[in-house]
Amino acid sequence: QKEVEQNSGPLSVPEGAIASLNCTYSDRVSQSFFWYRQYSGKSPELIMSIYSNGDKEDGRFTAQLNKASQYVSLLIRDSQPSDSATYLCAVSRDNQGGKLIFGQGTELSVKP
Amino acid sequence: NAGVTQTPKFQVLKTGQSMTLQCAQDMNHNSMYWYRQDPGMGLRLIYYSASEGTTDKGEVPNGYNVSRLNKREFSLRLESAAPSQTSVYFCASSERVPDEKLFFGSGTQLSVL
Repeated sequence: QKEVEQNSGPLSVPEGAIASLNCTYSDRVSQSFFWYRQYSGKSPELIMSIYSNGDKEDGRFTAQLNKASQYVSLLIRDSQPSDSATYLCAVSRDNQGGKLIFGQGTELSVKP
Repeated sequence: NAGVTQTPKFQVLKTGQSMTLQCAQDMNHNSMYWYRQDPGMGLRLIYYSASEGTTDKGEVPNGYNVSRLNKREFSLRLESAAPSQTSVYFCASSERVPDEKLFFGSGTQLSVL
């Protein structure tokens, strides 16, 4: 079992819809959770971080964390074609010195 | 702002050749990292340096060495390249450990024939 798992996609949604991206992790001691966005041929960039159970909203993005279920998700409201990218879930165990474990990424395609 | 600068952007090696990937950051960050990215595998940590003068192994360190030359620079060396090391390599930095808000360089596409 991979430490961090994501559906590789592609996930296709129409413009204006809500895109829902999911991630599960296996290590219960994981403390910090991140979503990075990576456009094709580019480097990853951080879009959301979440540390405690519940929802965290930033503009059109909402991260959701459920530590009991070992599940973290990213919702993108009013999806735009510019949101088309690969979304990487990353998890950190603080006692590991801040090293990140990444999932394999979910490719999102937003159709006009 | 340059941020994190990696060189070269592309490289083709023959099996057994050696090379060094260079990375420099101008954000005065303490921590620096080398990741590799393979299709369907996500990013995997090769080595990291929590602060100047220290280096530690990540998930996939075999076949690589690193040097934290100073606070700005962190290099990755392949002593004897193998086809399994064909990948995209990303250098990243962060302000401190633990601090997982990574800033990535633009990447190096390496092919080993």
